[in-house]
Amino acid sequence: GAVVSQHPSWVICKSGTSVKIECRSLDFQATTMFWYRQFPKQSLMLMATSNEGSKATYEQGVEKDKFLINHASLTLSTLTVTSAHPEDSSFYICSARVVGIDEQYFGPGTRLTVT
Amino acid sequence: GESVGLHLPTLSVQEGDNSIINCAYSNSASDYFIWYKQESGKGPQFIIDIRSNMDKRQGQRVTVLLNKTVKHLSLQIAATQPGDSAVYFCAETLSPSNSGYSTLTFGKGTMLLVSP
Repeated sequence: GAVVSQHPSWVICKSGTSVKIECRSLDFQATTMFWYRQFPKQSLMLMATSNEGSKATYEQGVEKDKFLINHASLTLSTLTVTSAHPEDSSFYICSARVVGIDEQYFGPGTRLTVT
Repeated sequence: GESVGLHLPTLSVQEGDNSIINCAYSNSASDYFIWYKQESGKGPQFIIDIRSNMDKRQGQRVTVLLNKTVKHLSLQIAATQPGDSAVYFCAETLSPSNSGYSTLTFGKGTMLLVSP
């Protein structure tokens, strides 16, 4: 149980284009989903937190107009990287949790490469 | 032995050794701590957790120790195997209320390399 999937697992896009990453909780309803970014040999940095049906809360330094997050249902959150640049190339990981349970369940990550 | 690279400390051990990975956490108010294992190109995988009302918790081949006085966590892996090779992160948080949530803060991570 408690499986989180991400799609795609990897994506290559050209500079200036937008790319959407999906995060799904497969066997539970996730009231809260989190998006992290991880650069090589570094830790996970929280980008934003989203609750179903409400606007995402972004961490300091994360541009909300560049990283659009939509949490339209209890099983799906999307992260859209708009006007991507090479410096946005990174490993993007989502996680999900249920109200009242401390644990976060992590997805397998999406490798984004912007050329 | 242990070495500190540009970003990620590395611990190299022989198969069968016991490994100890350390973590200093930042918030004295944190009351819930988790260790994650991350293999290359994958998301973090839950290993073991501990709450602040405990100082030790054991799982299968793993033990977590918590020292709140010095804000220190350690993960002990017994009889380390090549399959244990990965990056290990500690994470801290405040236990959320039933209606709210708290975010996880991840430590810098340690790469564990296990030689056969």
